[in-house]
Amino acid sequence: GNSVTQMEGPVTLSEEAFLTINCTYTATGYPSLFWYVQYPGEGLQLLLKATKADDKGSNKGFEATYRKETTSFHLEKGSVQVSDSAVYFCALSDLRGTSYGKLTFGQGTILTVHP
Amino acid sequence: GAGVSQSPSNKVTEKGKDVELRCDPISGHTALYWYRQSLGQGLEFLIYFQGNSAPDKSGLPSDRFSAERTGGSVSTLTIQRTQQEDSAVYLCASSPDRAGGAPLHFGNGTRLTVT
Repeated sequence: GNSVTQMEGPVTLSEEAFLTINCTYTATGYPSLFWYVQYPGEGLQLLLKATKADDKGSNKGFEATYRKETTSFHLEKGSVQVSDSAVYFCALSDLRGTSYGKLTFGQGTILTVHP
Repeated sequence: GAGVSQSPSNKVTEKGKDVELRCDPISGHTALYWYRQSLGQGLEFLIYFQGNSAPDKSGLPSDRFSAERTGGSVSTLTIQRTQQEDSAVYLCASSPDRAGGAPLHFGNGTRLTVT
């Protein structure tokens, strides 16, 4: 079945540091890929997405590129801020059969950014 | 506009009791999902409703768990004879269609504690 594996956290960085959170996936076919973010005390919200190979999703300075050859969708940001402290979830959307559209999530990575 | 609403926000129950968790999706959204988020775990898929199609129940962990969606709108997740391992945050999400690229809109969850 489909699965998503994220790098284990927690990740602790200083403000303005470079961020990478690794995500790899296993899927049948060509799923859509997503990063969701959960800020403290809030619900999950979509951060960015990519729907086909070589697409780059971007939002709020974050980027991720859909790499079919390495089955990866790593999240990057060049300069993190304290306000980026949150839990980040990588996810894929099944595009086959009766479960079309169902999201499978990774285990989440806690990011803490210190001033 | 109104987002996904879940109630109650917190529920404490004794082991062996039944509980009902409610989800009001965004009006007009045809897809509705239930996930479970346990401490240190990712989001565990429970069940997926899409329009009038038969729901995908493949994620329900046991026959103590069931869910309904009435009139294509409100959904109720029922857990019978609750166990301590059922303690988690139960998240509901809705989506405007079954397209694989459509984002999910999450509620803030119901935190269930089984004592």
